[in-house]
Amino acid sequence: KAGVTQTPRYLIKTRGQQVTLSCSPISGHRSVSWYQQTPGQGLQFLFEYFSETQRNKGNFPGRFSGRQFSNSRSEMNVSTLELGDSALYLCASTRTPGETQYFGPGTRLLVL
Amino acid sequence: GDSVTQMEGPVTLSEEAFLTINCTYTATGYPSLFWYVQYPGEGLQLLLKATKADDKGSNKGFEATYRKETTSFHLEKGSVQVSDSAVYFCALSVRNGYSGGGADGLTFGKGTHLIIQP
Repeated sequence: KAGVTQTPRYLIKTRGQQVTLSCSPISGHRSVSWYQQTPGQGLQFLFEYFSETQRNKGNFPGRFSGRQFSNSRSEMNVSTLELGDSALYLCASTRTPGETQYFGPGTRLLVL
Repeated sequence: GDSVTQMEGPVTLSEEAFLTINCTYTATGYPSLFWYVQYPGEGLQLLLKATKADDKGSNKGFEATYRKETTSFHLEKGSVQVSDSAVYFCALSVRNGYSGGGADGLTFGKGTHLIIQP
């Protein structure tokens, strides 16, 4: 069974731009969570989607948003990029909320 | 709020040495506990988990026991290999009552960089 896939794997943007990252969960998994990983702050929870609805949200500004489609694929968007948004963005999926999360390889975003 | 504390390292050991990585937590309710491993340039892989007190998770020679009385979930391995070199994250999730149950996002420790020398 294929694992969680994330696209693109690497991305370079400039300040003020916006970016959209994509995550395809494991087949049969309907819950998708997003995390930001930085050297300074470590791994931080962004948000979780289940059945196209946002269930939980971490402590991030409104520039960070997401959505989930009917096929469970999810996208996250960051608008008005700042240098501090440079990070590895990880997506994780579960069959339903509360089950063990399985992670994708991540998208590494560099903001110049 | 919920939090996880673990030694950050780097921890450097020789091959075949005994490994312990300490992890303690603070949580409301009754958390599930996890160890994830991250190899260079990759995402996180689930190493082991425990969902209630006194449970022992184990995988690939690694073990950790959920100790409620000491709020700990220390990772151990009897004989490490060079291939175990990676960053190890302790994490917890707490089941909430929102939307009929299910956990909030994972809360992670800062990660422990483990280096095994031949």
